[in-house]
Amino acid sequence: DTEVTQTPKHLVMGMTNKKSLKCEQHMGHRAMYWYKQKAKKPPELMFVYSYEKLSINESVPSRFSPECPNSSLLNLHLHALQPEDSALYLCASSVQGGQPREQYFGPGTRLTVT
Amino acid sequence: QKEVEQDPGPLSVPEGAIVSLNCTYSNSAFQYFMWYRQYSRKGPELLMYTYSSGNKEDGRFTAQVDKSSKYISLFIRDSQPSDSATYLCAMTAGNKLVFGAGTILRVKS
Repeated sequence: DTEVTQTPKHLVMGMTNKKSLKCEQHMGHRAMYWYKQKAKKPPELMFVYSYEKLSINESVPSRFSPECPNSSLLNLHLHALQPEDSALYLCASSVQGGQPREQYFGPGTRLTVT
Repeated sequence: QKEVEQDPGPLSVPEGAIVSLNCTYSNSAFQYFMWYRQYSRKGPELLMYTYSSGNKEDGRFTAQVDKSSKYISLFIRDSQPSDSATYLCAMTAGNKLVFGAGTILRVKS
């Protein structure tokens, strides 16, 4: 089973709201990722967690706050977002962080900021 | 110059055709090479990954890597309308993936 699940599927939020995106995998993977994808563009890496520790932050604005409560769960907390943050947010996982040759993606959360 | 170049297409072919999708890259340090398929409004789906130069086959899909030319390809045999999607090549650089722009493929019935 190579499934990564994400909730919610769709999210509409105002610029003053606080919301969270959730991601879960039960493949025993020790690396988890958040990506942002705009229409007709490839996924853009935001954060990497390796063994539940944040290992990469791609200079993401502080209005995005990741959290890895355990090896199966990954959250992305959202606060005071801007309309340009509207995008598909993808979670992914791989066995380990080094040379992630088998990185599996979830279906994504489509976020609209109004 | 981008590290990974991929023609965005769209590439339109008739059903049953052999499709060739390609990426070139400039960084010799890339080690693993992946192909993902992404349907509209869905997450990318891993199709295949390869490490060394040569071919790797899985059903109707063949991935080819030529490290000396820094060129990778994905061939799809007997293409079907259900193959219509965006195909993304990706390569590992340390603990990151570097993606190509993606090629939109349309298979007409």
